[in-house]
Amino acid sequence: GDSVTQMEGPVTLSEEAFLTINCTYTATGYPSLFWYVQYPGEGLQLLLKATKADDKGSNKGFEATYRKETTSFHLEKGSVQVSDSAVYFCALSGDQGAQKLVFGQGTRLTINP
Amino acid sequence: KAGVTQTPRYLIKTRGQQVTLSCSPISGHRSVSWYQQTPGQGLQFLFEYFSETQRNKGNFPGRFSGRQFSNSRSEMNVSTLELGDSALYLCASTRRAGGPGEQFFGPGTRLTVL
Repeated sequence: GDSVTQMEGPVTLSEEAFLTINCTYTATGYPSLFWYVQYPGEGLQLLLKATKADDKGSNKGFEATYRKETTSFHLEKGSVQVSDSAVYFCALSGDQGAQKLVFGQGTRLTINP
Repeated sequence: KAGVTQTPRYLIKTRGQQVTLSCSPISGHRSVSWYQQTPGQGLQFLFEYFSETQRNKGNFPGRFSGRQFSNSRSEMNVSTLELGDSALYLCASTRRAGGPGEQFFGPGTRLTVL
């Protein structure tokens, strides 16, 4: 079945550091890919998405490019802030007719001032 | 526009009891999905409802069930609770059933089974 493998955390960085969180997937067909973020005590918020190969999703300084050849969707940000501290989830939706997300295990990110 | 609301936010039950959780989607959204989040298994899909019909079901035992009402509000029920059912239960809504639409998540219901 479909699956998502995420870089294990926790990840701790200093403010203004460069961030990469790796995500690879296994799916049949052409899935849509997502990054969600979860702040303490809250539900998940969509950070960005890409629906076809070579698409780049971006939001709030975060970017991820849908790479079909490497089945990857790595999350990057050039300069992180303390407010970016959260848990990040990579996810895919493999069936165009279903609202079913398959999530990675999540990566806890802590940014120190 | 109000977001997805879930009630109650916290719940404590004992083994063998049953529980019902409620989810009100964003106005105009007709698809509601449920997920279970645990430290060990992560986020797992439970089921999806659209227009009062279950469209997809995850790999959970029959003790987990749900329904959707004509106003798109949804409930999920867990019968004969087990310790392993302790989790954060998240509900998400989408405007339509098909396609990779953005799912909007509620804050979740934290269920503790003693």
